Amino acid sequence: DARVTQTPRDKVTEMGQEVTMRCQPILGHNTVFWYRQTMKQGLELLAYFRNRAPLDDSGMPKDRFSAEMPDATLATLKIQPSEPRDSAVYFCASGLVLSGRANEQFFGPGTRLTVL
Amino acid sequence: GQQVMQIPQYQHVQEGEDFTTYCNSSTTLSNIQWYKQRPGGHPVFLIQLVKSGEVKKQKRLTFQFGEAKKNSSLHITATQTTDVGTYFCAGGNSGYSTLTFGKGTMLLVSP
Repeated sequence: DARVTQTPRDKVTEMGQEVTMRCQPILGHNTVFWYRQTMKQGLELLAYFRNRAPLDDSGMPKDRFSAEMPDATLATLKIQPSEPRDSAVYFCASGLVLSGRANEQFFGPGTRLTVL
Repeated sequence: GQQVMQIPQYQHVQEGEDFTTYCNSSTTLSNIQWYKQRPGGHPVFLIQLVKSGEVKKQKRLTFQFGEAKKNSSLHITATQTTDVGTYFCAGGNSGYSTLTFGKGTMLLVSP
């Protein structure tokens, strides 16, 4: 049963520290999404990739967030330096996008980030 | 930008009662998807609607897509405690591979 995996599941860090979150999408999926979920804002799209190429990262604070996909089996989201307002659950999702239309997205279990 | 609104934000029902959540988009959608997130879990895809006026059923769940493709609803008949969670709608636009999620409706079912 193919699943999206994310590590770490939980991360507690201090303000100013670097945080790296990792995601392994489902093999064969061509699109990877990074979301942030908070009670106040709900699910926000931060960035997404198609065939490993970044297509849109307009949802991310550019000065501190960066997203990469070094190979087809790994996507990373980095925050440097982290701030308390970054505390949230970060989800990675993957999907097979054909003809430019959004199809079913498969979400990973998420990384719960707490910045003290 | 596009906005997707969901109401109600929260609903508490007794087991056996029906439940409905509504989703409205500020723009015409090409498709709409529904996801369920259990407490402490991650969103899980339920269904996708594409056609104007489309109605789909999954056991006790009925999904509708409005004629104008700007609204949708999810109706659960005779809720069970296993239905507890947050239900999200997510709208897609033609030519775009991303979704705009509503903020969800949290459903609590008391036995």
